[in-house]
Amino acid sequence: KNQVEQSPQSLIILEGKNCTLQCNYTVSPFSNLRWYKQDTGRGPVSLTIMTFSENTKSNGRYTATLDADTKQSSLHITASQLSDSASYICVVSERGYSTLTFGKGTMLLVSP
Amino acid sequence: GAGVSQSPRYKVAKRGQDVALRCDPISGHVSLFWYQQALGQGPEFLTYFQNEAQLDKSGLPSDRFFAERPEGSVSTLKIQRTQQEDSAVYLCASSPRGGSYGELFFGEGSRLTVL
Repeated sequence: KNQVEQSPQSLIILEGKNCTLQCNYTVSPFSNLRWYKQDTGRGPVSLTIMTFSENTKSNGRYTATLDADTKQSSLHITASQLSDSASYICVVSERGYSTLTFGKGTMLLVSP
Repeated sequence: GAGVSQSPRYKVAKRGQDVALRCDPISGHVSLFWYQQALGQGPEFLTYFQNEAQLDKSGLPSDRFFAERPEGSVSTLKIQRTQQEDSAVYLCASSPRGGSYGELFFGEGSRLTVL
């Protein structure tokens, strides 16, 4: 069964600090990997989408990396802001299928 | 509209009642997905439409769950004889491309509470 595992489950950091979230997956054959930000009570919002050939992608203060060989991805957040407090979800797509496999998310709290 | 719209945002149902949740995707989007998200969990796939065709319904948990998209635009997720375990947020997402290759745009979700 395809799986997406995220770590840590939750994280508290001080405003202005950096942090890195991890995602490991077993989905194969791989199509793409996405990171979403989900604020409490809202729908997920896309941060990045990476295909097999991409190993890094940035969106403002968010930088995602992908190692398709080890099936690992990370999301690095630079100079965190209070508004970064949210759940960050890693999602992997299997080539040829319509379904996406979602991780359970990492709950990030940025403290003043 | 500018984004994916879902209604109602909140629904409280007594066990055994039928409910219908509506999704208005972004105009022109080919793909439409329904997901179920339990508290503290990631979304779980329910079903997928490409235009009006329901190409994948493997995630529907039981035959009490039914989804339709008759004209390839608005979709309705119907849950019959609701049970307490159906309590969750139901997310709808649309994509301009077919399959899981394009970017997904999510609605705010419909939070269902079954008493």
